[in-house]
Amino acid sequence: ELKVEQNPLFLSMQEGKNYTIYCNYSTTSDRLYWYRQDPGKSLESLFVLLSNGAVKQEGRLMASLDTKARLSTLHITAAVHDLSATYFCAAPRVNSGNTPLVFGKGTRLSVIA
Amino acid sequence: DTEVTQTPKHLVMGMTNKKSLKCEQHMGHRAMYWYKQKAKKPPELMFVYSYEKLSINESVPSRFSPECPNSSLLNLHLHALQPEDSALYLCASSQGWDRDNEQFFGPGTRLTVL
Repeated sequence: ELKVEQNPLFLSMQEGKNYTIYCNYSTTSDRLYWYRQDPGKSLESLFVLLSNGAVKQEGRLMASLDTKARLSTLHITAAVHDLSATYFCAAPRVNSGNTPLVFGKGTRLSVIA
Repeated sequence: DTEVTQTPKHLVMGMTNKKSLKCEQHMGHRAMYWYKQKAKKPPELMFVYSYEKLSINESVPSRFSPECPNSSLLNLHLHALQPEDSALYLCASSQGWDRDNEQFFGPGTRLTVL
C-alpha cells in the first residue's frame, strides 16, 4: 500500500528566508504532484513532475523529483506572506490508468514578517 | 476551459434528508473523482469513475451513492447521513495516465450534517 509522508507538517518561516519541504513515498512511482490549499478553499495544482530528475519552478517555488530515492522536494526561496498555505504532495496509487492520488498529510506553512 | 465546477458551495442537512452534490467539467476528461476532506486532513478518495463507469469504491457507506450521467457530470447522492459525515467534498477530473493524469479540483461543497 502506497504511503506518502511529508515533513515538516508545520513550518513557520520568516519573510525572506529559504526552506525545503520533503515528500517521501513508499512504492515505485515516476510521477509526483504538488498542490496548494488556502484555508477553506480547494486544491490548486502547483507542479506535475513526470520523470526522474524533473525540476520545475514557478516564482519562489521550485519542485524536484528523485524517483530512485522516492523523494520530492518543494523549495521555497525568499518567502513572502502570500505563500502562507498548506502544501500537499501526492503520488499516483498505481502507475497506470485513471488512478487516484494518495496525499501526504500536508505542510502548513506560515510566513511571518 | 480548465475548470471543474461544483454545486452547491455549502449544504446543511438533517440526518433524514436526501440531497445531491453536483460536479461538472468540460475539459473532455474521462476520469472523475470524489474526495472527502476533513478539517486539517488531506483529501481521502471515495470514488473513481473512468469512462463513465465506477472503477473504484473505497468501501464508502451506502448512504453515499455516486452517479455519472455522462462524461461531463458527476453526482453524489446523500441519504441518512451522520454528523461525522460533515466535511468538504471535492470533485476532481483528469485526462488520464497517457497524458500526465494531473487532477483538477473543483471548489468543493462544504457539507454540515445536523
